[in-house]
Amino acid sequence: EDKVVQSPLSLVVHEGDTVTLNCSYEVTNFRSLLWYKQEKKAPTFLFMLTSSGIEKKSGRLSSILDKKELFSILNITATQTGDSAVYLCASLRAGNNRKLIWGLGTSLAVNP
Amino acid sequence: KAGVTQTPRYLIKTRGQQVTLSCSPISGHRSVSWYQQTPGQGLQFLFEYFSETQRNKGNFPGRFSGRQFSNSRSEMNVSTLELGDSALYLCASSLLGNHETQYFGPGTRLLVL
Repeated sequence: EDKVVQSPLSLVVHEGDTVTLNCSYEVTNFRSLLWYKQEKKAPTFLFMLTSSGIEKKSGRLSSILDKKELFSILNITATQTGDSAVYLCASLRAGNNRKLIWGLGTSLAVNP
Repeated sequence: KAGVTQTPRYLIKTRGQQVTLSCSPISGHRSVSWYQQTPGQGLQFLFEYFSETQRNKGNFPGRFSGRQFSNSRSEMNVSTLELGDSALYLCASSLLGNHETQYFGPGTRLLVL
């Protein structure tokens, strides 16, 4: 059965810390891996990864995919209180039954 | 461009009732997907509609149904509500049904008592 597992489930850090969030996947007919940030309600898109070893970067956030070991990481450097959110990882399964398989998320709390 | 809108934002129902949720996608988007989000199960795919046709569905019982209108607005219906249906229901729209570039609405929080 397809699954996406995120770790840790929750994390508490202080402003300025660097955090690494993990996402492993087992998805048949894998096409891509996506990261979302969910603060209140609507998840907002962060990154889409399709190729191994190519880092995607946006400000203090970066992400990379390892298709051999079937995982991805999301790094946040110099964390700020505004980074407090749930970070969701999802894997897109291609083909006839095309859909996103979601992890449970990592709840990040950044304390001042 | 207005974002994805969902109505109502909050809803309280009792077991056995039925409920209809509405989603208006971004203008020009033809695909609408529905998700159920609960703390224990995370986000789970319900179904996707594209140009008024259900293109894909997840593993939910037949009590969950949906439809899409010619203006791409979509509704989902849950009949014979159960306590376990309490969840945040999110819809997401995309231009061509590309799950990789979808935009989420704020969700409808459903509480079943």
